[in-house]
Amino acid sequence: DTAVSQTPKYLVTQMGNDKSIKCEQNLGHDTMYWYKQDSKKFLKIMFSYNNKELIINETVPNRFSPKSPDKAHLNLHINSLELGDSAVYFCASSQGRNSYEQYFGPGTRLTVT
Amino acid sequence: GENVEQHPSTLSVQEGDSAVIKCTYSDSASNYFPWYKQELGKRPQLIIDIRSNVGEKKDQRIAVTLNKTAKHFSLHITETQPEDSAVYFCAAVYAGNMLTFGGGTRLMVKP
Repeated sequence: DTAVSQTPKYLVTQMGNDKSIKCEQNLGHDTMYWYKQDSKKFLKIMFSYNNKELIINETVPNRFSPKSPDKAHLNLHINSLELGDSAVYFCASSQGRNSYEQYFGPGTRLTVT
Repeated sequence: GENVEQHPSTLSVQEGDSAVIKCTYSDSASNYFPWYKQELGKRPQLIIDIRSNVGEKKDQRIAVTLNKTAKHFSLHITETQPEDSAVYFCAAVYAGNMLTFGGGTRLMVKP
């Protein structure tokens, strides 16, 4: 009965590789998000997405792209991984534009070597 | 975009004492301010939030106050317990539903 789930929990890969992280929510929410938490614990929004609109934080490199096969899923695809991409990535969801409460997934720890 | 500053970065209190964490934000259009608690290795969890049409909100030992004029909001935890030890994040909404987070406060409650 997990509300927001992510896979994998841990991901270790080499520089230059392409990888994806999957996120699923069973809350019936309309909007999903991706956040990056660096080693200093700073949490930064990367994307906000619903079936009508993608909002991108302008600081996110275009190597990062969200892909949504349906309303319950928002995957994060990363091309040409770099050392600085190492972080914990959190998926989150909220009910819709007038409901701001966001619920987070368990996180994916990405390590780029 | 929005900018959120959070202080202090670390806070150590004795069990039973109160703890206060303060945040300021830059975008006067922001109208939603949540607080999240993150335990070590876990996900951020929403503990309380406040909207701009309210000045104060309380939930048991936790309260949040908002001063829209000064663009300040604060988290107050009374009668702290060791299980309150965690990193606390404030946030403010912008661009409809994007959250900008403060830098976090590591709260340590000493038994």
